[in-house]
Amino acid sequence: AQSVAQPEDQVNVAEGNPLTVKCTYSVSGNPYLFWYVQYPNRGLQFLLKYITGDNLVKGSYGFEAEFNKSQTSFHLKKPSALVSDSALYFCAVRDARGGFKTIFGAGTRLFVKA
Amino acid sequence: NAGVTQTPKFRVLKTGQSMTLLCAQDMNHEYMYWYRQDPGMGLRLIHYSVGEGTTAKGEVPDGYNVSRLKKQNFLLGLESAAPSQTSVYFCASSYSFRVGPTSTDTQYFGPGTRLTVL
Repeated sequence: AQSVAQPEDQVNVAEGNPLTVKCTYSVSGNPYLFWYVQYPNRGLQFLLKYITGDNLVKGSYGFEAEFNKSQTSFHLKKPSALVSDSALYFCAVRDARGGFKTIFGAGTRLFVKA
Repeated sequence: NAGVTQTPKFRVLKTGQSMTLLCAQDMNHEYMYWYRQDPGMGLRLIHYSVGEGTTAKGEVPDGYNVSRLKKQNFLLGLESAAPSQTSVYFCASSYSFRVGPTSTDTQYFGPGTRLTVL
């Protein structure tokens, strides 16, 4: 069965500091992995995805994520946080063998303080 | 280009009442989805559609029905609302289902409908 865990409900970081939002996953086959961001009163927006190949994936707004197969993790990172990055972040996984189901994590709220 | 729009934005129902949520997309996407978002649980797929006239059950379909009579619209119906259906509902659409290096599988989300069932 597929599952996604985001172990932190909330992450606090000062503006200008690096940020990491953690995600671990479980899937039977190889994973497709995604990060989405949700701003207040808005729908989810796609940030980036991992399909295959290079373990470091670069996405929108300066975000990147590192796929680690041995640790079954896909942590979201940004070298220098902005106050405008404050939002709710969701990790999601789909089994690459097929099937329609995309499993979303519970979300991590990121607060960036000025 | 409005993207994905949802109607209404907010609604309060009494137990047993019915209602329909409307989702519209102007991107000519084949695939459309209805999710519900509950605190601490992420998004869960209710129903989805792979094209006009076709629908399928997702992860949590009970108590909901859907229809896709036109390619651009995907309706979610609650025949007899229950308090357990209090949630935020999101519609999404994508051009393709298969995940690949292009952006065709990217799901575009609407702004959501906040539904409270008393």
